[in-house]
Amino acid sequence: KQEVTQIPAALSVPEGENLVLNCSFTDSAIYNLQWFRQDHGKGLTSLLLIQSSQREQTSGRLNASLDKSSGRSTLYIAASQPGDSATYLCAVKGPDNNDMRFGAGTRLTVKP
Amino acid sequence: DAGVIQSPRHEVTEMGQEVTLRCKPISGHNSLFWYRQTMMRGLELLIYFNNNVPIDDSGMPEDRFSAKMPNASFSTLKIQPSEPRDSAVYFCASGQGQFFGPGTRLTVL
Repeated sequence: KQEVTQIPAALSVPEGENLVLNCSFTDSAIYNLQWFRQDHGKGLTSLLLIQSSQREQTSGRLNASLDKSSGRSTLYIAASQPGDSATYLCAVKGPDNNDMRFGAGTRLTVKP
Repeated sequence: DAGVIQSPRHEVTEMGQEVTLRCKPISGHNSLFWYRQTMMRGLELLIYFNNNVPIDDSGMPEDRFSAKMPNASFSTLKIQPSEPRDSAVYFCASGQGQFFGPGTRLTVL
C-alpha cells in the first residue's frame, strides 16, 4: 500500500526566504504526483502536477521536482510571501490512474 | 464555470440520523472523487467514479456509507446511521486534475 510522508510537518520562515518542502512515497510505480495548497477552512487548490515521465514542473515562484526511483519530490518556493502561508499537500496517483494517496501536509507560515 | 459545488457547507446532526452530502462536478469532467479529511487521519479517498460508474469504493469505511452518481452532473454521499466519529470535512473533487469543492463540514453530536 502506497504511503506518502511529508517533512517537515510545520515550517515558519521570514518573508523573502526561499524554502523547500519535501514529500516521499514508498511505491515508485506511480502515474503522477501533484502538489496542492489548502488554506485554513477551505478546499484544496492544485499547484503543480508532474507526470511519472517528467522530472519537474514550474509555475511562477514554484518549482516541483520528481525523482521516482528514490520516491521523492520537492516543492521549492522562491522569495516567499505572507500570502504563501497555507498547508501544502503532496498526493500520489497509482499506476492505474485512479487511486490517490495524500501526505499529511506541511503547514507553512511566512512572517512579514 | 462555478467550479465544483457542494452542499450543504455545514451540517450538524445527532447520532443515528441520516446524512446526505451533495456534489455537482465541473461540467465535462468524467471522474468524481469523494474524500474525507480529519485531523487524525488527514485526507482519505473514499470512493471515485468514472463516467458515473463506481470504480473503487475500498476507501469507504463501513456499510453505513454509500455513494451514488445517477448522472454526470450529480453525486451523493450518504451516511446512515451517522456516528460522532463520522465528524469530518467531506470533499468532492472532479476531473483527473483534481478540482476540489469547498467541502462540507459535518458534525455528528
